[in-house]
Amino acid sequence: AQKITQTQPGMFVQEKEAVTLDCTYDTSDPSYGLFWYKQPSSGEMIFLIYQGSYDQQNATEGRYSLNFQKARKSANLVISASQLGDSAMYFCAMREGWGTSYGKLTFGQGTILTVHP
Amino acid sequence: DTAVSQTPKYLVTQMGNDKSIKCEQNLGHDTMYWYKQDSKKFLKIMFSYNNKELIINETVPNRFSPKSPDKAHLNLHINSLELGDSAVYFCASSQIATSNTIYFGEGSWLTVV
Repeated sequence: AQKITQTQPGMFVQEKEAVTLDCTYDTSDPSYGLFWYKQPSSGEMIFLIYQGSYDQQNATEGRYSLNFQKARKSANLVISASQLGDSAMYFCAMREGWGTSYGKLTFGQGTILTVHP
Repeated sequence: DTAVSQTPKYLVTQMGNDKSIKCEQNLGHDTMYWYKQDSKKFLKIMFSYNNKELIINETVPNRFSPKSPDKAHLNLHINSLELGDSAVYFCASSQIATSNTIYFGEGSWLTVV
């Protein structure tokens, strides 16, 4: 079974509007972490935001927030006030477990976001 | 200063050659990783080193050999390159105890012809 699922291959948004990128995950581990990364056309992987499974509050970092719904196993990324520079591929990823596999990330398929002027 | 840096950024080489990609991090992290991104943009972990010790070794052909001379460096050596090795290779690092921020390098584009 897919551990991380991003069902939106592509999304379009108008500049200055908000957009939600979906991510669902599958794990039986009570301790896990969820990450979002941005990959612009230049190719680098930029860390955006992190949510731990025990975190009570939804994570926020500037214009990025993570809508964490634990019971639904979803960790959607919300980008507010979209900018042209937000056009990129976005990846959701999960870290499970403890010990030596702690830093291993499993990635989703990615969502290409296009911001229109 | 770039936190996680990889060299070279681009590498074009012929089948059968041996090549290396170097990675260095200046974040003081104790764990480093190699990930591979294929032509469909799918990212998968290959290896992880914690304090110079191999801790994750996914199902990777043994033509790929990582080496960590110290905890700030993790190099990837690939023997007998094949067409299917063409991909983007990302180095990453984190502090394993927390691992709530895992930083990636800029990627190394390997093309095997």
